[in-house]
Amino acid sequence: AQKITQTQPGMFVQEKEAVTLDCTYDTSDPSYGLFWYKQPSSGEMIFLIYQGSYDQQNATEGRYSLNFQKARKSANLVISASQLGDSAMYFCAMRGLISGNTPLVFGKGTRLSVIA
Amino acid sequence: NAGVMQNPRHLVRRRGQEARLRCSPMKGHSHVYWYRQLPEEGLKFMVYLQKENIIDESGMPKERFSAEFPKEGPSILRIQQVVRGDSAAYFCASSPGQGPNYGYTFGSGTRLTVV
Repeated sequence: AQKITQTQPGMFVQEKEAVTLDCTYDTSDPSYGLFWYKQPSSGEMIFLIYQGSYDQQNATEGRYSLNFQKARKSANLVISASQLGDSAMYFCAMRGLISGNTPLVFGKGTRLSVIA
Repeated sequence: NAGVMQNPRHLVRRRGQEARLRCSPMKGHSHVYWYRQLPEEGLKFMVYLQKENIIDESGMPKERFSAEFPKEGPSILRIQQVVRGDSAAYFCASSPGQGPNYGYTFGSGTRLTVV
């Protein structure tokens, strides 16, 4: 079974600063994918970034990067140059590959507040 | 190319009534997933379907809840005899395939309120 742990219920960051949102995971799958989603106050789930377990490089998408440390089983999201619009809930998720298919498993999320 | 379409966006039901939530996946996506989100919580997996088949329903309550994805038309999540504890946001997601590198595209969710 997969498990995602996000230990920061809430985080504050000053506008234009960088912030790291923590995510650790547990799985026995040899192959898995790690995802981050953003949920603004409007409620929709927005895909941000993906990291495959065998990817050599850390994933980057614009201002988002994923600090993937496989030995530590961590997949922290780094947001650079924070903007007011980044205020939202952020969810880390993973998906493994056991006997064909496993659903995406989510952590409890971190609420990020960007301060002007 | 429309995304995942869920309707209604908001649904109010009295205790004991039935709730029907609809989800049309993205074009070309044959895998549909339903999740439930309680206030201030993460998303909890309920059921995974492909056309006309339930693949994994391990997260769905055994009673009152059912899901289908017919050959034609949207996927339906049905909750019979709703209770206050069913109040939550229900999200549908779709993906083009299975495997760890396939992420999901989510719909905007249906907010169910049971009064």
